[in-house]
Amino acid sequence: EVQLLESGGGLVQPGGSLRLSCAASGFTFSNYAMSWVRQAPGKGLEWVSTISGSGGSIYYADSVKGRFTISRDNSKNTLYLQMNSLRAEDTAVYYCAKSGSYYGSGDIYFDYWGQGTLVTVSS
Amino acid sequence: QSALTQPASVSGSPGQSITISCTGTSSDVGGYNYVSWYQQHPGKAPKLMIYDVSIRPSGVSNRFSGSKSGNTASLTISGLQAEDEADYYCSSYTSSSTLLFGGGTKLTVL
Repeated sequence: EVQLLESGGGLVQPGGSLRLSCAASGFTFSNYAMSWVRQAPGKGLEWVSTISGSGGSIYYADSVKGRFTISRDNSKNTLYLQMNSLRAEDTAVYYCAKSGSYYGSGDIYFDYWGQGTLVTVSS
Repeated sequence: QSALTQPASVSGSPGQSITISCTGTSSDVGGYNYVSWYQQHPGKAPKLMIYDVSIRPSGVSNRFSGSKSGNTASLTISGLQAEDEADYYCSSYTSSSTLLFGGGTKLTVL
């Protein structure tokens, strides 16, 4: 059974940093691209970033480019999102999502999702 | 990039069929057969319903179907059931190597 368990969310002040983790199990982690998708309170889904199975290809939404860094450790079956220079508009539930393919671009769809971790940016 | 355009809400009675549209441009929906649809119940994580425009994942009811014409993709739900009441989101790959979601559609089963 595929399981994705996010952690690391919490309250942080504007300009601060936070690192999210997503522990994966139930599938061969290195064979699939992984992504972060966020949802602000009461709002729709917003794609944040995707990393290919090997970690060699990485893509970001313009809204987070230069501030967020996605990475993965295939030996630990874990996905990360380092978030710096956080803003109030980054407040959201952050979902870890498994892609249906190895590559980080093109046929990107999410066949499994974690339950999400809430990040609140406020002073 | 702006979100793909979806109607804010649709409704239907049990047993009826409804269609949710998802309109983009030739740089996203119209340019690739990489449109997917997600169902989200309140307080829950999204669930994949359709990918690659019209492919249903294993376990998803055949009452759900997807299609595309030009820059507009559509999700059709036939034989509406109370459990189908949820928010639905489309997404598409874009020419900028990014992924774009629609604004979401709230489906009400009357």
